[in-house]
Amino acid sequence: AQKITQTQPGMFVQEKEAVTLDCTYDTSDQSYGLFWYKQPSSGEMIFLIYQGSYDEQNATEGRYSLNFQKARKSANLVISASQLGDSAMYFCAITGRGSNTGKLIFGQGTTLQVKP
Amino acid sequence: GAGVSQTPSNKVTEKGKYVELRCDPISGHTALYWYRQSLGQGPEFLIYFQGTGAADDSGLPNDRFFAVRPEGSVSTLKIQRTERGDSAVYLCASSASGGVMNTEAFFGQGTRLTVV
Repeated sequence: AQKITQTQPGMFVQEKEAVTLDCTYDTSDQSYGLFWYKQPSSGEMIFLIYQGSYDEQNATEGRYSLNFQKARKSANLVISASQLGDSAMYFCAITGRGSNTGKLIFGQGTTLQVKP
Repeated sequence: GAGVSQTPSNKVTEKGKYVELRCDPISGHTALYWYRQSLGQGPEFLIYFQGTGAADDSGLPNDRFFAVRPEGSVSTLKIQRTERGDSAVYLCASSASGGVMNTEAFFGQGTRLTVV
């Protein structure tokens, strides 16, 4: 079975500063994928970034980067230059092969609040 | 529209009643997923369709829950004999291909189900 652990229920960051949201995972799959999604108070899930287990470089998408440490089974999200609109719930998720194909297993989420 | 559409956006029903939740995926997307999200939690996988068939229904909590996708497009999640514990936001997502790990899933706005 696959599992995602997000240990930070809530985080605060000052506008324009960087913030790291933690994510650790557990899987028996050799090949897997890790996602981060943002969920504003309006409720929609917005895809941010993806990291494949065999990708040699850390994924980046604009202000988002993923600090992937495979040996430690961690996939932390780094948001640079925080903006007020970044205030939302953030979810880390994992998918894999075989019986894990197709489905995303999500963590509990981290609520991020950006202070002006 | 261009996104995943879910109807209704809100549904209040009495305990014991039957409900249907509809999902209209992005046109051309072969994979469709249903998730359930309780307040303050991450989405929980329910079922995954590849085309018309349920590729993985391991997340359906019990036999009161059933989902169909008869023509490989629109899907309906059906809940019989609703219980107060079924109250949650039901999220639908679609992706261009369910078998490719790095394929982004696009989520709908969700249906908020309240069982009174």
